Amino acid sequence: GAVVSQHPSRVICKSGTSVKIECRSLDFQATTMFWYRQFPKQSLMLMATSNEGSKATYEQGVEKDKFLINHASLTLSTLTVTSAHPEDSSFYICSAPSVGNQPQHFGDGTRLSIL
Amino acid sequence: AQTVTQSQPEMSVQEAETVTLSCTYDTSESDYYLFWYKQPPSRQMILVIRQEAYKQQNATENRFSVNFQKAAKSFSLKISDSQLGDAAMYFCAYRSFPYNNDMRFGAGTRLTVKP
Repeated sequence: GAVVSQHPSRVICKSGTSVKIECRSLDFQATTMFWYRQFPKQSLMLMATSNEGSKATYEQGVEKDKFLINHASLTLSTLTVTSAHPEDSSFYICSAPSVGNQPQHFGDGTRLSIL
Repeated sequence: AQTVTQSQPEMSVQEAETVTLSCTYDTSESDYYLFWYKQPPSRQMILVIRQEAYKQQNATENRFSVNFQKAAKSFSLKISDSQLGDAAMYFCAYRSFPYNNDMRFGAGTRLTVKP
């Protein structure tokens, strides 16, 4: 079963709206979570790393005032796209690290469409 | 920074035949992990196979195997007895040691399986 739950799976909203995406780790604690963005027919690009109890680390070129990340507990990280515009339309996916050589656990992603 | 290169945007294989997807990477690290992920149209990230850099033996998972050449920084994926369900985007990914680092993805290869 899924070990990372991402919600919602699909969002369609008007330009100017703020959208919150949640990423929950199920039956394990995640002090770190990663947020990726994937444009159509492109690869996953890391946007930011959220850290429980401290500020997120953003990749170069990602606007931290635009993409607010909160990691308030050991099982929940949220990404809020503020004042979303059509160019923010994309597939957003979160993941949580596992241990050792185990792969990351990916959420099922959120398809965001801004009209 | 580590980079991952997949030089084949698209590949095609006949059902029941064998296909090899290429991946090269650039790193100055000696310890790291490599992964192949499959992304079907649902966009769910599905782990296909993983390899630890310190292991010389190539990883194998049923019909999937890798050819890991550490000195050449090459990590190709071989799919034997291809099935229609293998059709998807395939991403090669790199993760630094330790385990809680993010993943870096290649651009992806779209695999088509012909009946």
